[in-house]
Amino acid sequence: GAGVSQSPRYKVAKRGQDVALRCDPISGHVSLFWYQQALGQGPEFLTYFQNEAQLDKSGLPSDRFFAERPEGSVSTLKIQRTQQEDSAVYLCASSSRGDSNQPQHFGDGTRLSIL
Amino acid sequence: AQSVTQLDSQVPVFEEAPVELRCNYSSSVSVYLFWYVQYPNQGLQLLLKYLSGSTLVKGINGFEAEFNKSQTSFHLRKPSVHISDTAEYFCAVSDRNQGGKLIFGQGTELSVKP
Repeated sequence: GAGVSQSPRYKVAKRGQDVALRCDPISGHVSLFWYQQALGQGPEFLTYFQNEAQLDKSGLPSDRFFAERPEGSVSTLKIQRTQQEDSAVYLCASSSRGDSNQPQHFGDGTRLSIL
Repeated sequence: AQSVTQLDSQVPVFEEAPVELRCNYSSSVSVYLFWYVQYPNQGLQLLLKYLSGSTLVKGINGFEAEFNKSQTSFHLRKPSVHISDTAEYFCAVSDRNQGGKLIFGQGTELSVKP
Protein backbone atom coordinates (compact mmCIF):
# COMPACT_ATOMS: atom_id res chain seq x y z
CA GLY A 1 0.00 0.00 0.00
CA ALA A 2 1.02 3.56 -0.59
CA GLY A 3 2.69 5.49 2.16
CA VAL A 4 2.51 9.20 2.89
CA SER A 5 3.23 11.16 -0.26
CA GLN A 6 4.52 14.72 -0.31
CA SER A 7 4.95 17.04 -3.25
CA PRO A 8 6.98 18.67 -4.51
CA ARG A 9 10.10 16.96 -3.17
CA TYR A 10 12.12 20.12 -3.73
CA LYS A 11 10.97 23.70 -3.96
CA VAL A 12 13.05 26.78 -4.58
CA ALA A 13 11.42 30.17 -4.17
CA LYS A 14 12.53 33.76 -3.99
CA ARG A 15 12.07 35.64 -0.76
CA GLY A 16 8.63 37.16 -0.64
CA GLN A 17 6.93 34.55 -2.81
CA ASP A 18 4.12 32.33 -1.58
CA VAL A 19 4.52 28.55 -1.60
CA ALA A 20 2.14 25.61 -1.16
CA LEU A 21 3.25 22.16 -0.02
CA ARG A 22 1.01 19.14 -0.44
CA CYS A 23 0.60 16.02 1.67
CA ASP A 24 -1.33 12.88 0.74
CA PRO A 25 -1.70 10.77 3.90
CA ILE A 26 -2.19 7.05 4.04
CA SER A 27 -5.76 6.29 2.98
CA GLY A 28 -8.13 6.20 5.93
CA HIS A 29 -5.74 7.80 8.38
CA VAL A 30 -7.57 10.14 10.72
CA SER A 31 -4.69 12.21 12.05
CA LEU A 32 -2.28 14.34 10.05
CA PHE A 33 0.72 16.25 11.34
CA TRP A 34 3.11 18.81 9.86
CA TYR A 35 6.68 19.22 11.15
CA GLN A 36 9.51 21.55 10.18
CA GLN A 37 13.06 20.18 10.20
CA ALA A 38 15.88 22.69 9.98
CA LEU A 39 19.28 21.50 8.80
CA GLY A 40 20.95 19.35 11.44
CA GLN A 41 18.00 19.54 13.82
CA GLY A 42 15.16 17.32 14.92
CA PRO A 43 11.69 17.87 13.48
CA GLU A 44 9.58 20.51 15.22
CA PHE A 45 5.80 20.29 15.42
CA LEU A 46 3.81 22.80 13.40
CA THR A 47 0.18 21.71 13.37
CA TYR A 48 -2.20 18.75 13.70
CA PHE A 49 -5.50 17.74 12.12
CA GLN A 50 -8.01 15.14 13.13
CA ASN A 51 -10.07 14.57 10.01
CA GLU A 52 -10.77 18.10 8.71
CA ALA A 53 -10.51 19.78 12.09
CA GLN A 54 -7.30 21.60 12.93
CA LEU A 55 -6.97 20.77 16.61
CA ASP A 56 -3.57 22.24 17.36
CA LYS A 57 -1.68 24.94 15.48
CA SER A 58 0.51 26.04 18.34
CA GLY A 59 3.71 25.30 16.46
CA LEU A 60 3.09 27.54 13.46
CA PRO A 61 5.89 30.12 13.70
CA SER A 62 3.94 33.10 12.38
CA ASP A 63 0.69 34.12 10.74
CA ARG A 64 2.44 33.65 7.39
CA PHE A 65 1.97 29.90 7.86
CA PHE A 66 -1.42 28.38 7.14
CA ALA A 67 -2.52 24.76 6.85
CA GLU A 68 -5.76 23.19 5.72
CA ARG A 69 -7.31 19.77 5.23
CA PRO A 70 -10.76 20.61 3.87
CA GLU A 71 -12.03 17.09 3.17
CA GLY A 72 -10.15 15.26 5.88
CA SER A 73 -7.67 13.70 3.49
CA VAL A 74 -5.13 15.75 1.50
CA SER A 75 -3.53 18.62 3.36
CA THR A 76 -1.78 21.75 2.15
CA LEU A 77 0.72 23.84 4.07
CA LYS A 78 0.94 27.36 2.70
CA ILE A 79 3.64 29.88 3.51
CA GLN A 80 3.06 33.46 2.49
CA ARG A 81 5.74 36.08 1.89
CA THR A 82 8.52 33.55 2.43
CA GLN A 83 11.64 34.50 4.36
CA GLN A 84 15.08 32.90 4.32
CA GLU A 85 14.50 31.42 7.76
CA ASP A 86 11.66 29.37 6.27
CA SER A 87 14.24 27.24 4.47
CA ALA A 88 13.87 23.73 5.90
CA VAL A 89 12.48 20.30 5.18
CA TYR A 90 8.75 20.11 5.82
CA LEU A 91 7.59 16.68 6.90
CA CYS A 92 4.06 15.37 6.89
CA ALA A 93 2.95 12.38 8.96
CA SER A 94 -0.29 10.52 9.40
CA SER A 95 -1.62 8.04 11.92
CA SER A 96 -4.60 5.75 11.88
CA ARG A 97 -6.47 7.12 14.87
CA GLY A 98 -6.58 10.21 16.99
CA ASP A 99 -4.82 8.57 19.91
CA SER A 100 -1.40 9.80 20.98
CA ASN A 101 -0.09 6.25 21.25
CA GLN A 102 -0.42 5.62 17.54
CA PRO A 103 2.82 5.58 15.55
CA GLN A 104 3.11 8.26 12.91
CA HIS A 105 4.04 7.37 9.33
CA PHE A 106 6.18 10.00 7.67
CA GLY A 107 6.54 11.13 4.10
CA ASP A 108 9.92 11.88 2.55
CA GLY A 109 9.42 15.60 3.03
CA THR A 110 9.59 18.72 0.90
CA ARG A 111 12.92 20.52 0.96
CA LEU A 112 12.19 24.24 0.72
CA SER A 113 14.97 26.66 -0.17
CA ILE A 114 14.33 30.40 -0.05
CA LEU A 115 16.77 32.52 -2.02
CA ALA B 1 6.82 22.04 28.28
CA GLN B 2 8.17 18.72 27.20
CA SER B 3 11.73 18.47 26.00
CA VAL B 4 13.93 15.63 24.80
CA THR B 5 17.70 15.56 25.11
CA GLN B 6 19.88 13.29 23.07
CA LEU B 7 23.19 13.39 24.80
CA ASP B 8 25.41 12.54 21.84
CA SER B 9 25.22 14.36 18.53
CA GLN B 10 27.54 11.89 16.81
CA VAL B 11 28.43 8.29 17.64
CA PRO B 12 31.14 6.60 15.56
CA VAL B 13 31.40 2.84 16.00
CA PHE B 14 33.01 -0.09 14.24
CA GLU B 15 30.94 -2.72 12.48
CA GLU B 16 29.77 -5.58 14.74
CA ALA B 17 30.40 -3.53 17.88
CA PRO B 18 27.59 -2.77 20.35
CA VAL B 19 26.09 0.71 20.49
CA GLU B 20 23.95 2.75 22.87
CA LEU B 21 22.26 6.01 21.87
CA ARG B 22 21.15 8.00 24.89
CA CYS B 23 17.87 9.84 25.35
CA ASN B 24 16.40 11.71 28.30
CA TYR B 25 13.06 13.47 28.48
CA SER B 26 11.94 16.23 30.76
CA SER B 27 8.57 15.32 32.13
CA SER B 28 7.52 12.59 34.50
CA VAL B 29 3.85 12.75 33.52
CA SER B 30 2.43 9.96 31.42
CA VAL B 31 4.13 9.89 28.07
CA TYR B 32 4.66 7.59 25.17
CA LEU B 33 8.21 7.20 23.87
CA PHE B 34 9.48 6.51 20.37
CA TRP B 35 12.68 6.04 18.45
CA TYR B 36 12.76 6.91 14.75
CA VAL B 37 15.52 6.46 12.16
CA GLN B 38 16.12 8.80 9.23
CA TYR B 39 18.20 7.86 6.21
CA PRO B 40 19.53 10.65 3.96
CA ASN B 41 16.83 12.49 2.01
CA GLN B 42 14.10 10.35 3.48
CA GLY B 43 11.40 10.70 6.08
CA LEU B 44 11.43 9.08 9.49
CA GLN B 45 10.83 5.39 10.03
CA LEU B 46 9.61 4.02 13.35
CA LEU B 47 12.12 1.73 15.10
CA LEU B 48 10.20 1.04 18.30
CA LYS B 49 7.82 2.50 20.82
CA TYR B 50 7.08 2.31 24.53
CA LEU B 51 3.43 2.66 25.51
CA SER B 52 3.15 0.72 28.77
CA GLY B 53 4.02 -2.62 30.33
CA SER B 54 7.44 -4.17 30.02
CA THR B 55 10.17 -1.55 30.21
CA LEU B 56 12.30 -3.36 27.63
CA VAL B 57 10.93 -2.97 24.14
CA LYS B 58 12.20 -4.60 20.99
CA GLY B 59 12.01 -3.02 17.59
CA ILE B 60 12.99 -3.60 14.01
CA ASN B 61 16.51 -4.27 12.72
CA GLY B 62 17.64 -5.76 16.04
CA PHE B 63 17.25 -2.56 18.07
CA GLU B 64 15.87 -2.44 21.60
CA ALA B 65 15.29 0.27 24.18
CA GLU B 66 14.73 0.40 27.89
CA PHE B 67 12.32 2.78 29.58
CA ASN B 68 13.56 4.01 32.95
CA LYS B 69 10.95 6.15 34.66
CA SER B 70 13.08 7.17 37.65
CA GLN B 71 15.83 8.44 35.38
CA THR B 72 13.42 9.68 32.68
CA SER B 73 15.53 7.89 30.10
CA PHE B 74 14.84 5.79 27.03
CA HIS B 75 18.20 4.65 25.68
CA LEU B 76 18.44 2.75 22.39
CA ARG B 77 20.77 -0.22 22.06
CA LYS B 78 21.94 -2.73 19.51
CA PRO B 79 24.37 -5.54 20.39
CA SER B 80 26.06 -5.65 16.98
CA VAL B 81 25.75 -2.92 14.36
CA HIS B 82 26.01 -3.15 10.59
CA ILE B 83 27.20 -0.66 8.01
CA SER B 84 23.57 -0.28 6.95
CA ASP B 85 22.68 1.12 10.39
CA THR B 86 24.49 4.34 9.50
CA ALA B 87 21.76 6.99 9.79
CA GLU B 88 20.31 9.72 12.01
CA TYR B 89 18.35 8.52 15.02
CA PHE B 90 15.68 10.57 16.78
CA CYS B 91 14.12 10.03 20.17
CA ALA B 92 10.62 11.45 20.58
CA VAL B 93 7.98 11.80 23.26
CA SER B 94 4.23 12.16 23.00
CA ASP B 95 2.15 13.49 25.86
CA ARG B 96 -0.91 11.32 26.43
CA ASN B 97 -3.12 14.37 26.67
CA GLN B 98 -1.94 16.40 23.68
CA GLY B 99 -3.33 14.57 20.70
CA GLY B 100 -0.21 12.84 19.54
CA LYS B 101 2.18 15.59 18.55
CA LEU B 102 5.76 14.42 18.87
CA ILE B 103 8.52 16.34 20.59
CA PHE B 104 11.84 15.29 19.10
CA GLY B 105 15.39 15.38 20.33
CA GLN B 106 18.15 16.93 18.25
CA GLY B 107 19.16 13.60 16.80
CA THR B 108 22.21 11.34 17.00
CA GLU B 109 24.22 10.59 13.90
CA LEU B 110 25.34 6.97 14.03
CA SER B 111 28.31 6.28 11.79
CA VAL B 112 29.31 2.63 11.42
CA LYS B 113 32.80 2.06 10.09
CA PRO B 114 34.17 -1.15 8.58
